Amino acid sequence: EAGVAQSPRYKIIEKRQSVAFWCNPISGHATLYWYQQILGQGPKLLIQFQNNGVVDDSQLPKDRFSAERLKGVDSTLKIQPAKLEDSAVYLCASSLIPGQPDTQYFGPGTRLTVL
Amino acid sequence: KQEVTQIPAALSVPEGENLVLNCSFTDSAIYNLQWFRQDPGKGLTSLLLIQSSQREQTSGRLNASLDKSSGRSTLYIAASQPGDSATYLCAVIAGANNLFFGTGTRLTVIP
Repeated sequence: EAGVAQSPRYKIIEKRQSVAFWCNPISGHATLYWYQQILGQGPKLLIQFQNNGVVDDSQLPKDRFSAERLKGVDSTLKIQPAKLEDSAVYLCASSLIPGQPDTQYFGPGTRLTVL
Repeated sequence: KQEVTQIPAALSVPEGENLVLNCSFTDSAIYNLQWFRQDPGKGLTSLLLIQSSQREQTSGRLNASLDKSSGRSTLYIAASQPGDSATYLCAVIAGANNLFFGTGTRLTVIP
């Protein structure tokens, strides 16, 4: 079974530029999550999708971050414009069963450096 | 708001030693608690998941315990090996399957 795929693996941009990350969850998984992990900290949930609807985006800085999962499969996370403090690893995860506690499977992450 | 704390932040032990990692959380209204391992430049690998009705789970040399009433969990690693070197993250699962992570313990096992 293929795992969660993410691309790119690394990205370096200058502040005020825009960037987009892509995630393809495990086939058949209804729920998709984006996490931000700043160096030395644990991951923090940014947004949770169930199929193509948003379940929780309370921690997403909506003035600069956006995410979509149009067909209920893969997802993109965008930052526009980027700030220095956005430097982090962005992790995507997916889980099979919607609406209840279920194991989340994580991708390898995208490491973003904002200069 | 759920706060998860892990102590110590970093730990170095000689190979073969047994060790304990600690995790505490502020809100006992959780579904499950999960321990992850994170290797540099890689994603998270789930090690053990303890359901809120359970008190412990074991997998090989790993044993995790959960005391919901006191808001604590421990991860016990027996006979540590250099390959165990990694960051260990504790996460509680609450709400709509949301994971609340601690800051992690960076473990180094010295050959």
